This record gives sequence, C-alpha cells and structure tokens, in this order.
Amino acid sequence: AQRVTQPEKLLSVFKGAPVELKCNYSYSGSPELFWYVQYSRQRLQLLLRHISRESIKGFTADLNKGETSFHLKKPFAQEEDSAMYYCVYAGGTSYGKLTFGQGTILTVHP
Amino acid sequence: NAGVTQTPKFQVLKTGQSMTLQCAQDMNHEYMSWYRQDPGMGLRLIHYSVGAGITDQGEVPNGYNVSRSTTEDFPLRLLSAAPSQTSVYFCASSYSPTSGAGNEQFFGPGTRLTVL
Repeated sequence: AQRVTQPEKLLSVFKGAPVELKCNYSYSGSPELFWYVQYSRQRLQLLLRHISRESIKGFTADLNKGETSFHLKKPFAQEEDSAMYYCVYAGGTSYGKLTFGQGTILTVHP
Repeated sequence: NAGVTQTPKFQVLKTGQSMTLQCAQDMNHEYMSWYRQDPGMGLRLIHYSVGAGITDQGEVPNGYNVSRSTTEDFPLRLLSAAPSQTSVYFCASSYSPTSGAGNEQFFGPGTRLTVL
C-alpha cells in the first residue's frame, strides 16, 4: 500500500546537537511532500514543502527520489524545536488529500 | 481573520448518541477536510470537499456524514457514536485543492471527543 513512514515515534537530542527526523514514502512518480509541525498548545501548521527548497527555522529537507526519502534536518537543535513533526504526502491527482506519517515527537533537552 | 474555527473544543458522548462537530473558515477557501488523530497513526482523512455542494469520502468515512451547503461551513456528523470514534478531530482548509503553493492547508484547533 502507498504510505508515508516515520520510523521514530520519539527522538531526543540535546540543545545544539544536530537532529534528523526520518521520512520514507512509497509513492511513485513525482510526489509532493511536506513537513507539518504541531507545537504544544498550538495548531498543526506547515513547516516546509519540498518544492520550495527553503530553510524554515533552520530546518531543511531534501527529496531523495532514489531512496524515496524526505528527511528533515537541522544542524543545531533548539529547545523551542520540541514538537510533534509529521511528514505528509499530498496526492497530486487526488485534490490535495493529505496522507500523514505516524509522527515523530522531538524533544530537545537543555 | 479568525482562520479555521471548530466547536466544541471538548465533548463526551454515550454510545449511540449523535452529534455534529462544527467547522468554519473565513478565508474563502474552496477545499475543506476532516481528519481524526489517533496515537501512533498520524492524521487520517475522513471526508473532504472541493467546493460548496461537493463532498467525497476519505480513508476512514464509516460512521460519519458531511455536507457543504456554503463555502464557509463544513460540519461533521456522527450518526451513532461508538467508542472507536474516541479521537481528536481536526478540520482543515486550503485555497486550492490542487498542487502548488495554494494547497497549504490551515488547521483548526481540534475537537477532543470521548465516547463512553
């Protein structure tokens, strides 16, 4: 079945350490992939999208079609990065329906 | 703009009761959708709408009905609540249902539903 997989439910790092949240997808063709984030007591919101190739809050994510991955990376984690992160696929021909990975809870310790 | 609003924030139901979760957006978005969030499963699409008068099923539609009589509102109805419907429900909207910059989805604050 086509899906998005985030292998880590929980990820803990110390402030200043590099962090990588893994995401693998199983869709063929040219996927549209996003990272959404949910901070404590805040709404789920878009963090970044692969087509923009941008860096948001120091995070980057590169689409690797060969490995079918879209890992989220930040070289120096901050305490305010602690949140739930979702890797999300948007079906190009299915009216923008989002398929979510299981989510990774990132905790950055001081 | 209020963005996407949802009511109620919390609800407790008994098995077999029915209720409607309300969702409204004031951004003139065409696309609206409902998700449920369960531990270890991410968010799963229940129903969606690409415009007023048009709705379709998502991944987990059983036990839920929707309608879209206006662009602004997209209520979700639980016909006969079951304990398996205990979850957090999120409504989302976007300007465009298709690919590109317009498909950033904006989420409501969620409704936490418990079915006893």
